[in-house]
Amino acid sequence: GESVGLHLPTLSVQEGDNSIINCAYSNSASDYFIWYKQESGKGPQFIIDIRSNMDKRQGQRVTVLLNKTVKHLSLQIAATQPGDSAVYFCAEKVKGGKLIFGQGTELSVKP
Amino acid sequence: NAGVMQNPRHLVRRRGQEARLRCSPMKGHSHVYWYRQLPEEGLKFMVYLQKENIIDESGMPKERFSAEFPKEGPSILRIQQVVRGDSAAYFCASSPADRARETQYFGPGTRLLVL
Repeated sequence: GESVGLHLPTLSVQEGDNSIINCAYSNSASDYFIWYKQESGKGPQFIIDIRSNMDKRQGQRVTVLLNKTVKHLSLQIAATQPGDSAVYFCAEKVKGGKLIFGQGTELSVKP
Repeated sequence: NAGVMQNPRHLVRRRGQEARLRCSPMKGHSHVYWYRQLPEEGLKFMVYLQKENIIDESGMPKERFSAEFPKEGPSILRIQQVVRGDSAAYFCASSPADRARETQYFGPGTRLLVL
């Protein structure tokens, strides 16, 4: 069935280091992917998105990489800051409009 | 430009009561999606609505749950005869009518606790 999963449930990094969060998806027909950040008690916050006709997209301190061959998505955060501590979800938009979310990776930034 | 708004933020109900969750999409957005999040889990799709129409309700339980998005006013997710298993965070997201802009923006959620 359809699923989007994450390789690592928790990630701990030192402040200033780069973070990489990975995600696998199973629906090869999906053409749009989003990364969200969720802080405790809040709703998911849009970080960055990418379409399937691209393999890389950069934002401010964040980069998303898409490897369609192996159905893999990653989020890179440069110079990680304490404010980046949160749970990060990848989401895959399937035909019809709904998003399928992975289970999430908790990022903990140590000062 | 106000974001997606949801109310109430917290809702406590006893088993058997009804829960009504409201969502006002971002200005200019006519697509609304409801998701449910259980503790320590990702969000699960429930229903997708446009004004006065249910587009996809494949993720919504067949009984006790209903959703609407009237021509005027917020979208409503209604849960009748709540049970403890309904306790979760319910999130609403909206997106513009322009299908080329597909990002879904989420509200702060309603946390439902069934006693």
